[in-house]
Amino acid sequence: GAVVSQHPSRVICKSGTSVKIECRSLDFQATTMFWYRQFPKQSLMLMATSNEGSKATYEQGVEKDKFLINHASLTLSTLTVASAHPEDSSFYICSASQSLAEQYFGPGTRLTVT
Amino acid sequence: AQSVTQLGSHVSVSEGALVLLRCNYSSSVPPYLFWYVQYPNQGLQLLLKYTSAATLVKGINGFEAEFKKSETSFHLTKPSAHMSDAAEYFCAVTKSGNEKLTFGTGTRLTIIP
Repeated sequence: GAVVSQHPSRVICKSGTSVKIECRSLDFQATTMFWYRQFPKQSLMLMATSNEGSKATYEQGVEKDKFLINHASLTLSTLTVASAHPEDSSFYICSASQSLAEQYFGPGTRLTVT
Repeated sequence: AQSVTQLGSHVSVSEGALVLLRCNYSSSVPPYLFWYVQYPNQGLQLLLKYTSAATLVKGINGFEAEFKKSETSFHLTKPSAHMSDAAEYFCAVTKSGNEKLTFGTGTRLTIIP
């Protein structure tokens, strides 16, 4: 149980295009979903927290207009990187939570912007 | 605010030897503490968690961690390292569920054959 999927697992796009990453909780309803970014050989940095049906809460320094988060249902959250640039290349990981002290992580999405 | 410090960005141990990965926390309220493992190009897998119950927590793959309030520590141990334990390990803290996890900088564990 408690499986979280991400799609796609890898994406390569050209500079200036937008990329959408999906995060799904497959066997539970996630009241909260989190989006993290991880640079090579570094830790995870929380980008934003989203609750179903409400606007995401972004961490300081994260551009809301660039990293658009939608949490339309209890099983799906999407992260759209708008007008991606090479510096946006990174590993993006989502997690989903349904109860106290439980976050389940997706397998991650490797974004490469050329 | 909560924070965790992982001492040692790289740890190497011989196969069969004791694994000890260090984590110290800072929290103004009783913390929830976690250890996660990450294999290359994968997400995080929960090894174990402390949520104010037993101070000695047993996890998957033979790992365990002990919460020591007096030392503000939550070190991860495994009696005998296996080659498959080679990975990145992250300690994390939160004060309750549905709140953001704060991760340490990670420790890369290498197992020497």
